Amino acid sequence: QSVVTQPPSASGTPGQRVTISCSGSSSNIGSNYVYWYQHLPGTAPKLLIYRNNQRPSGVPDRFSGSKSGTSASLAISGLRSEDEADYYCAAWDDSLSGLVFGGGTKLTVL
Amino acid sequence: QVHLVESGGGVVQPGGSLTLSCAASGFTFSTYGMHWVRQAPGKGLEWVAFMRSDGSSKYYADSVKDRFTISRDNSKNTLYLQMNSLRAEDTALYYCAKDLYSHYPDYWGQGTQVTVSS
Repeated sequence: QSVVTQPPSASGTPGQRVTISCSGSSSNIGSNYVYWYQHLPGTAPKLLIYRNNQRPSGVPDRFSGSKSGTSASLAISGLRSEDEADYYCAAWDDSLSGLVFGGGTKLTVL
Repeated sequence: QVHLVESGGGVVQPGGSLTLSCAASGFTFSTYGMHWVRQAPGKGLEWVAFMRSDGSSKYYADSVKDRFTISRDNSKNTLYLQMNSLRAEDTALYYCAKDLYSHYPDYWGQGTQVTVSS
């Protein structure tokens, strides 16, 4: 059971906007950056958002991140079938002295 | 272009040992921290260990502390994970990943499978 919590699943239809939440505590999200990753099992995870809301080059601006207090969220607008994947948030935890991942959210494009 | 290739996975008995390697290219390996992250079957991503670029600091998940050792050879652009006292719950796909801004991965390899079973 992760110290950072995500909903296990989310869904939307093509073109819709979906958000995935990530809830933590003062020792992780509350005091450190949040990163988001897109992952298709068995493949290399891909960095989507770094430092709460920054997009690496090549990541479409349909993906956006935000953080407030001990929670963060990933928003995907203009949903596309290729967005169907697992999404993970991550934050460094000062109490554990380690990186903690959320449990992951499986996004289904209906 | 960043390229990370893990190797060394396989099947090992409980209590056994295994050493994973990660060959890095496409960036100045000696100036970046590196991570190991794993994914057990049907589970999410679990961070395993992180090592700074110069080896000055190492961090481990509680689940592997005192059993696993992260190390690197900057002259060979290679990251290692020595795994001892392996347990069934260590069965997973193990990824190595390059660090971006201290403690967070950006580029990842394709992973190497470790199965602990009698």
